[in-house]
Amino acid sequence: NAGVTQTPKFRILKIGQSMTLQCTQDMNHNYMYWYRQDPGMGLKLIYYSVGAGITDKGEVPNGYNVSRSTTEDFPLRLELAAPSQTSVYFCASSYPAGAGALTDTQYFGPGTRLTVL
Amino acid sequence: TQLLEQSPQFLSIQEGENLTVYCNSSSVFSSLQWYRQEPGEGPVLLVTVVTGGEVKKLKRLTFQFGDARKDSSLHITAAQPGDTGLYLCAGARLAGYALNFGKGTSLLVTP
Repeated sequence: NAGVTQTPKFRILKIGQSMTLQCTQDMNHNYMYWYRQDPGMGLKLIYYSVGAGITDKGEVPNGYNVSRSTTEDFPLRLELAAPSQTSVYFCASSYPAGAGALTDTQYFGPGTRLTVL
Repeated sequence: TQLLEQSPQFLSIQEGENLTVYCNSSSVFSSLQWYRQEPGEGPVLLVTVVTGGEVKKLKRLTFQFGDARKDSSLHITAAQPGDTGLYLCAGARLAGYALNFGKGTSLLVTP
């Protein structure tokens, strides 16, 4: 049981290049999330998904796209990389605690460190 | 707009000292979670508090949720070097939805 895995761990892009950050979870979680973490800024939500085929924007979605064709995978796409997208990207997943419950635990991957030059 | 404000932002103490980290908001949350993050890794959940006034203990760590469910605190007794890391609080409006994170408190415990 690997939990949440992310690839690659590190990547350097040139301005205008595109890439896909991969995220896979093997816990059969319905909910998946993409966050970015900038130094001293905490984690900001980019996109999230409540199930296969359903995605929605978070706090900072501009410049990114996502898809959710399976329960396991939630890739994040950068189409035209910009220096402002230099950050550490975390994927997370959770299983809703059930009707009437107030919370659930989010499990995070190890992150992808992206630099755009 | 930062929904959750954490203080202090940085904390450097010696082994054996006690410390408290605060997480404050003007918003009400259905639950509040505390995570610890070590360099090069993702955040790992320490505890979730749900009920106003709730206190939870995890060995030397004590977590409290404010009565109005707008704030929380993390108290560490007799800190150890292994406690070094970034402590993040995160509030949830509803279960299963994205968390609102604070900026974190970076703790360094020196021997």
